[in-house]
Amino acid sequence: QSALTQPASVSGSPGQSITISCTGTSSDVGNYNYVAWYQQPPGKAPKFLIYEVSSRPSGVSNRFSGSKSGNTASLTISGLQTEDEADYYCSSYTSRGTWVFGGGTKLTVL
Amino acid sequence: EEQLVQSGAEVKKPGESLKISCKTSGYSFTSYYIGWVRQMPGKGLEWMGAILPDDSETRYSPSLQGQVTISVDKFINIAYLQWSSLKPSDTAIYYCARHSGRLGAPDYWGQGTLVTVSS
Repeated sequence: QSALTQPASVSGSPGQSITISCTGTSSDVGNYNYVAWYQQPPGKAPKFLIYEVSSRPSGVSNRFSGSKSGNTASLTISGLQTEDEADYYCSSYTSRGTWVFGGGTKLTVL
Repeated sequence: EEQLVQSGAEVKKPGESLKISCKTSGYSFTSYYIGWVRQMPGKGLEWMGAILPDDSETRYSPSLQGQVTISVDKFINIAYLQWSSLKPSDTAIYYCARHSGRLGAPDYWGQGTLVTVSS
């Protein structure tokens, strides 16, 4: 199974909004609402940000939101803060009964 | 509180075997899939596989099937990732992670175990 496709990098200024895309196929993102997003600061374990396309676990800021259209899911971060600088990964359940991650996106807050 | 605590860093030679562990607490161990995720140096996350401790049903990534073995001891709430013959390309950080449901994404993660394979 191939990794989901994410842009290698995105950037934004404090206070702005950015969106990270995650493109899969009809065998994963397009067929299941089991898309999740993770934030990974340098040298740390991933943190669970979004599950089932758009739901936030308890304790995650409402500045983080998720959506999906067809085979592409998206993560939007509003009101960018310097502490949002990290790598972001999407993941999806697949028709094989497995999970697949995206290649990751490095967010730089200018 | 859900916690996953992994075993410490390992340095091994090519061809050696290895078994790393993930001790869980704070939830019903047998009710949730627990999986392993690889992160090679400077690279992204790669889902390796997951096991349901209740019946040991195991799913592997097609690209990694046969390369590793995932197992559990449900009596002491520990999951394992095992290699029979390590290669330098197995050098990576390995994370264990609980899946939030039968189709659910990994939600709670261990701190990671660095495995270095070098002659």
